[in-house]
Amino acid sequence: AQSVTQLGSHVSVSEGALVLLRCNYSSSVPPYLFWYVQYPNQGLQLLLKYTTGATLVKGINGFEAEFKKSETSFHLTKPSAHMSDAAEYFCAVSEDDKIIFGKGTRLHILP
Amino acid sequence: NAGVMQNPRHLVRRRGQEARLRCSPMKGHSHVYWYRQLPEEGLKFMVYLQKENIIDESGMPKERFSAEFPKEGPSILRIQQVVRGDSAAYFCASSPRPPGFLSQPQHFGDGTRLSIL
Repeated sequence: AQSVTQLGSHVSVSEGALVLLRCNYSSSVPPYLFWYVQYPNQGLQLLLKYTTGATLVKGINGFEAEFKKSETSFHLTKPSAHMSDAAEYFCAVSEDDKIIFGKGTRLHILP
Repeated sequence: NAGVMQNPRHLVRRRGQEARLRCSPMKGHSHVYWYRQLPEEGLKFMVYLQKENIIDESGMPKERFSAEFPKEGPSILRIQQVVRGDSAAYFCASSPRPPGFLSQPQHFGDGTRLSIL
């Protein structure tokens, strides 16, 4: 079975600083990988996805992630944090007909 | 296009009652997925349905939980004789194609927050 590990259940960064949210996965086959964002009392919104091809994937709101097969990682980054980025972020991998989610990282933005 | 619509947004039930959660997929989507999110946890897959068929229910608890997606109307997640441990957020997602096309991601609703008194 595939799994996703997100390092750090809470991450705090200052406004304008680099955002780095870590994600490692385990998969026996080439994975489809996703990052979702969840704002309070809302559903999940897709930030970006990796399927095949270019390993650096650009998403919405200035986020990007790089697929590194040798490290089985798919870390999410944003060069400059904004207050509106405060939310919970979920890394996920596809498995058959379902999506396997990590436990999430809550991102706090400090003024 | 309207997104995935779930209702109610909040549902309160007493122990032993039944809870019915509804999900209307996006227009043109015939594949529906239910997930459960416990506090401080990610979403856990429960069941995958197509119209009138349950395709994969490997994540469903063996008792008290059932799901359907009739030919007409929304998908329903039904929880009988609810217990405190059923308190969670339940999310529905839909997609226009079978899971083999997972480059097309699932689209999520805003969820139903179920509270058991």
